[in-house]
Amino acid sequence: NAGVTQTPKFQVLKTGQSMTLQCAQDMNHEYMSWYRQDPGMGLRLIHYSVGAGITDQGEVPNGYNVSRSTTEDFPLRLLSAAPSQTSVYFCASSKQGTNTEAFFGQGTRLTVV
Amino acid sequence: GENVEQHPSTLSVQEGDSAVIKCTYSDSASNYFPWYKQELGKRPQLIIDIRSNVGEKKDQRIAVTLNKTAKHFSLHITETQPEDSAVYFCAASLTGGGNKLTFGTGTQLKVEL
Repeated sequence: NAGVTQTPKFQVLKTGQSMTLQCAQDMNHEYMSWYRQDPGMGLRLIHYSVGAGITDQGEVPNGYNVSRSTTEDFPLRLLSAAPSQTSVYFCASSKQGTNTEAFFGQGTRLTVV
Repeated sequence: GENVEQHPSTLSVQEGDSAVIKCTYSDSASNYFPWYKQELGKRPQLIIDIRSNVGEKKDQRIAVTLNKTAKHFSLHITETQPEDSAVYFCAASLTGGGNKLTFGTGTQLKVEL
């Protein structure tokens, strides 16, 4: 049971480039989310999904797109990378319902130069 | 939206002492409060959580207390050990579960020998 898997683990982009961060979970969880973690700011919600075909914005959605075509996958797209998007990105999943633990992927460290 | 404040930002204790980390939240409708531990370079992992209809929960050396009236909750670690050294995050959710978490800014706990 792999849990939540993110790829790549590290990435360096040039300003203006686009890329997709991959996230997959094999726990049949309905809910999936993307967070970014910056020093001194904790984790902030970028986008989330409550099921296939349903996504919504979190606290810091600008510059990012998501889609959820399957229950398992929730990719995060950076349309035109900016240095301000340098961060560690975590994908998380949880079951629908109350008191349900969020499981995190191992993270993607992204540097935009 | 929800806002979670966490204090202190750093905490240093001697091995065997207790450590207390405090969080306050702004939205009285929040109903799920997890605590995550994150070791350097690793993913956040749930250590304990509490729902709004419970005032206290304990798991071995770790306990969490919740005061709904004051809108604050605390993490208590007793008999601290060097392996407790990590960053601890509190979070709050309006959905009752691990989806759409609002995180505090984290506490760096250092347990000294």
